[in-house]
Amino acid sequence: GENVEQHPSTLSVQEGDSAVIKCTYSDSASNYFPWYKQELGKRPQLIIDIRSNVGEKKDQRIAVTLNKTAKHFSLHITETQPEDSAVYFCAAISRPTDSWGKLQFGAGTQVVVTP
Amino acid sequence: EAGVTQFPSHSVIEKGQTVTLRCDPISGHDNLYWYRRVMGKEIKFLLHFVKESKQDESGMPNNRFLAERTGGTYSTLKVQPAELEDSGVYFCASSSFTDTEAFFGQGTRLTVV
Repeated sequence: GENVEQHPSTLSVQEGDSAVIKCTYSDSASNYFPWYKQELGKRPQLIIDIRSNVGEKKDQRIAVTLNKTAKHFSLHITETQPEDSAVYFCAAISRPTDSWGKLQFGAGTQVVVTP
Repeated sequence: EAGVTQFPSHSVIEKGQTVTLRCDPISGHDNLYWYRRVMGKEIKFLLHFVKESKQDESGMPNNRFLAERTGGTYSTLKVQPAELEDSGVYFCASSSFTDTEAFFGQGTRLTVV
């Protein structure tokens, strides 16, 4: 089955700097890669996703890149703000013909943005 | 629209006891999933319902875990008898067939002592 590894486990950045989280996956059949953000005490929420036919996707200060050959994808947050502090999870779907919800998650990255 | 709701938010039980977690998915979502995050590790898939049917229960740890989805609406996850290693946060998520996004509940933090 699919195996997703996520690094780093913790990331501390100064407000205004950029943050990058990297994930690798094992199943070359995976074709959907969402990123979830979980703020303290709240539910995980989808912040951005990318499909395998796209190399990069941006949404305001966040962007995701995908390298299918190397089987890795990354989350980039620019101009970080205190409200970006949260745990971020990457995920992959390994059965493209199945329902989208059976996600294989990475272990999460605790991001702390210091003013 | 109302989101995915889970009850209780926290539960502390003794080893050997029984606990039942409940999930109410977003109305109209036929897909319902249970996940678990243990000790700061990854969020792991437990099982998937399509309406009232179990589509995939490959992630269920053992037969102490029983999930049901009555009438294809809310779902329950029962742990009986609970063991120490069952402690963690149990998440429920739902999705529709026409959307790729899985919407998560806030989770139930289960502590077995």
